[in-house]
Amino acid sequence: KQEVTQIPAALSVPEGENLVLNCSFTDSAIYNLQWFRQDPGKGLTSLLLIQSSQREQTSGRLNASLDKSSGRSTLYIAASQPGDSATYLCAVLQGAQKLVFGQGTRLTINP
Amino acid sequence: DTGVSQDPRHKITKRGQNVTFRCDPISEHNRLYWYRQTLGQGPEFLTYFQNEAQLEKSRLLSDRFSAERPKGSFSTLEIQRTEQGDSAMYLCASSRDYTEAFFGQGTRLTVV
Repeated sequence: KQEVTQIPAALSVPEGENLVLNCSFTDSAIYNLQWFRQDPGKGLTSLLLIQSSQREQTSGRLNASLDKSSGRSTLYIAASQPGDSATYLCAVLQGAQKLVFGQGTRLTINP
Repeated sequence: DTGVSQDPRHKITKRGQNVTFRCDPISEHNRLYWYRQTLGQGPEFLTYFQNEAQLEKSRLLSDRFSAERPKGSFSTLEIQRTEQGDSAMYLCASSRDYTEAFFGQGTRLTVV
């Protein structure tokens, strides 16, 4: 059974810092990995999708990497801003094509 | 296209009542997913459709839950005889095969 773990569960940093969020998964037989952002009481917003054959994807200040063999992904956020405060979720697409989610990292950027 | 749409956004119901939620996916997406999320947790898979066929249903989904996707377009999720433990955010997502999944804003259910 696929298990996805995100560490840390919560992170608080001052504005302007670069930071890394971690995601690990137990079964490397995945089709892709997706990072999402969720604001309180809202749905999920897709940030980046990495296909299993890819090593990384970039969008603006965000960079996501994937090491499928070791079951790890990282989301790098450069020059953090208060507007980046949210919960960040990673999810892997596997087998029967369902997304399996981690518990999320709650990020707070302090002005 | 305005993305994935869910209705209603909020629902308060009394224990024992039936409720139905609707999801309109992105029009060209053949896959549609339902997830449930409680406070502080990641979304939990409930069920998914490929076109109109329901291909997998989680063991989390008791017999009180049923989902349909007639003609492979919109989908409905019905909960019969609601219980307080059903209080959660119900999320719908759609995608094409092996591609990026897009989520709606969710339906917040409160059972009192």
